[in-house]
Amino acid sequence: NAGVMQNPRHLVRRRGQEARLRCSPMKGHSHVYWYRQLPEEGLKFMVYLQKENIIDESGMPKERFSAEFPKEGPSILRIQQVVRGDSAAYFCASSQLMGQRSYEQYFGPGTRLTVT
Amino acid sequence: GQSLEQPSEVTAVEGAIVQINCTYQTSGFYGLSWYQQHDGGAPTFLSYNALDGLEETGRFSSFLSRSDSYGYLLLQELQMKDSASYFCAVRDVANAGKSTFGDGTTLTVKP
Repeated sequence: NAGVMQNPRHLVRRRGQEARLRCSPMKGHSHVYWYRQLPEEGLKFMVYLQKENIIDESGMPKERFSAEFPKEGPSILRIQQVVRGDSAAYFCASSQLMGQRSYEQYFGPGTRLTVT
Repeated sequence: GQSLEQPSEVTAVEGAIVQINCTYQTSGFYGLSWYQQHDGGAPTFLSYNALDGLEETGRFSSFLSRSDSYGYLLLQELQMKDSASYFCAVRDVANAGKSTFGDGTTLTVKP
């Protein structure tokens, strides 16, 4: 059973370009979460999605950031017109909806975004 | 909103016992989780407490006191490989839902 997959693992973008990060949840998981982590800091919640539905985007910056989880395919976190402050590790996690293990989030390896 | 506090760094020697504390303030509470992260890699789940008391999983135990909004992670028989960052996280909804993470405690295990 494959774990959570993220790609690319490393992404370099120049200021003003778009960054597109992908996440495939674990098999059987219908819930996806995106977190951002700056060096030496904790994981900051960004957005929580189900298939074709954004459940909670309270942690998303109002501008330039968007996320989707289509019926088919991976979840996408899109950052438009990147700035140096967007440089961070972006982690995706997935979980079950209900049941004994619904509290457990499984994390992907992360995408390290560097904006030059 | 939610806020969590945990020490930024803890140091202990191999074979010892260490306790990492976490206090939280939340508008709703369904449970406290602990995650381990090595060198910026994927965080991995360690334990979860929804009810007061101690949960034991091998060398790791986690404790919760909901009345005190406090929990801790206890690591016994420390090994060098336990050197990592440890995060507490609070769930404020039932079933699936986001978790709010603390800033993490960096544990250094010395020989």
